[in-house]
Amino acid sequence: DTGVSQDPRHKITKRGQNVTFRCDPISEHNRLYWYRQTLGQGPEFLTYFQNEAQLEKSRLLSDRFSAERPKGSFSTLEIQRTEQGDSAMYLCASSLAGRYEQFFGPGTRLTVL
Amino acid sequence: DQQVKQNSPSLSVQEGRISILNCDYTNSMFDYFLWYKKYPAEGPTFLISISSIKDKNEDGRFTVFLNKSAKHLSLHIVPSQPGDSAVYFCAASALEAGKSTFGDGTTLTVKP
Repeated sequence: DTGVSQDPRHKITKRGQNVTFRCDPISEHNRLYWYRQTLGQGPEFLTYFQNEAQLEKSRLLSDRFSAERPKGSFSTLEIQRTEQGDSAMYLCASSLAGRYEQFFGPGTRLTVL
Repeated sequence: DQQVKQNSPSLSVQEGRISILNCDYTNSMFDYFLWYKKYPAEGPTFLISISSIKDKNEDGRFTVFLNKSAKHLSLHIVPSQPGDSAVYFCAASALEAGKSTFGDGTTLTVKP
């Protein structure tokens, strides 16, 4: 399968702990996006990369969130000092630059207790 | 301020009939619109799109209509099939902005 993959699929953590998620995009895609989705809402943009450069970061993203794409391939999203409000589905997507349609992974569901 | 709105959280139609899903937007800078389909436990899947220079795009059973003056788009599915039952998200993008702005989705149920 050459689609977008995310790991882990589910993560349960206690408030205050740090968590890290990984996304592997479609190999030839140079853009990679992170979204967050809560129940009953659509995906909410967090940040995106073109190759290894982080081009935009949502103002909704607090300093506890950081994302990297060190070699322009896979990406990681880290949340430090998790809070219960961080509980959500974290979606990764990839695309070719200049193309609007994005290809999504299955998501990582985070539950903060 | 929600820039992309899907005012109907749910829609139920009979198999074989037409499904019409609606979406409104407020940002005049949006120049490309997309529809995604989402099944449970999966990420959204791209379905169909339309550029702001067009008013209609058709792909098989799916047609998207864009009314720029009303800042409104709709997705028509005809004939509807039970396998079309899913959550449908409307999304919009501005020129080379990269990110998409999504609505909250409409859950479509197609009854046999």
